[in-house]
Amino acid sequence: ETGVTQTPRHLVMGMTNKKSLKCEQHLGHNAMYWYKQSAKKPLELMFVYSLEERVENNSVPSRFSPECPNSSHLFLHLHTLQPEDSALYLCASSPRLSSYNSPLHFGNGTRLTVT
Amino acid sequence: KNEVEQSPQNLTAQEGEFITINCSYSVGISALHWLQQHPGGGIVSLFMLSSGKKKHGRLIATINIQEKHSSLHITASHPRDSAVYICAVGVTSGSRLTFGEGTQLTVNP
Repeated sequence: ETGVTQTPRHLVMGMTNKKSLKCEQHLGHNAMYWYKQSAKKPLELMFVYSLEERVENNSVPSRFSPECPNSSHLFLHLHTLQPEDSALYLCASSPRLSSYNSPLHFGNGTRLTVT
Repeated sequence: KNEVEQSPQNLTAQEGEFITINCSYSVGISALHWLQQHPGGGIVSLFMLSSGKKKHGRLIATINIQEKHSSLHITASHPRDSAVYICAVGVTSGSRLTFGEGTQLTVNP
């Protein structure tokens, strides 16, 4: 049990589908993150939320749309994805925004395959 | 060139061996993180350090700020240590970490 729960664990979707990834944390953390992990590449930061406000959008294509309705929940809405978007999508949280000195707590990730 | 370089990329060891994974970085940092990722995908934070040395069980992490280098050591390695070990650094400005590509460790019985 990591304290950060992601659903679904696996997702296969066509390029015309619309789906959403969900992340939930009950650690009382104020910051939440979406990361993308592609094969043989370092983790890439996609979005950062602090107290439900988006503070960073790392040049992510608009086909990825984040939503943070409250400090415990984070969504990543997906539409008209491309096959190159297939990757492991990881959610993380930290007690406060400055993650450089605050440990990250990761979920188990959603393995996304776009066909 | 990535700001965070790990070596080796792949490492195979026999159970009981002493293991060292290295991380070099090129920027000024406030903290360095060592993370462990098992085949299922989930990532666990092992250490966060800004100076000196930390120990937890069979794991030891050291950092040399002047040389911009950190090492993760595993003593008496075990097959359950098989995982990807990731180094990440945090700089004082911004909220992001910069990650290395990871080291795939396989410990054979």
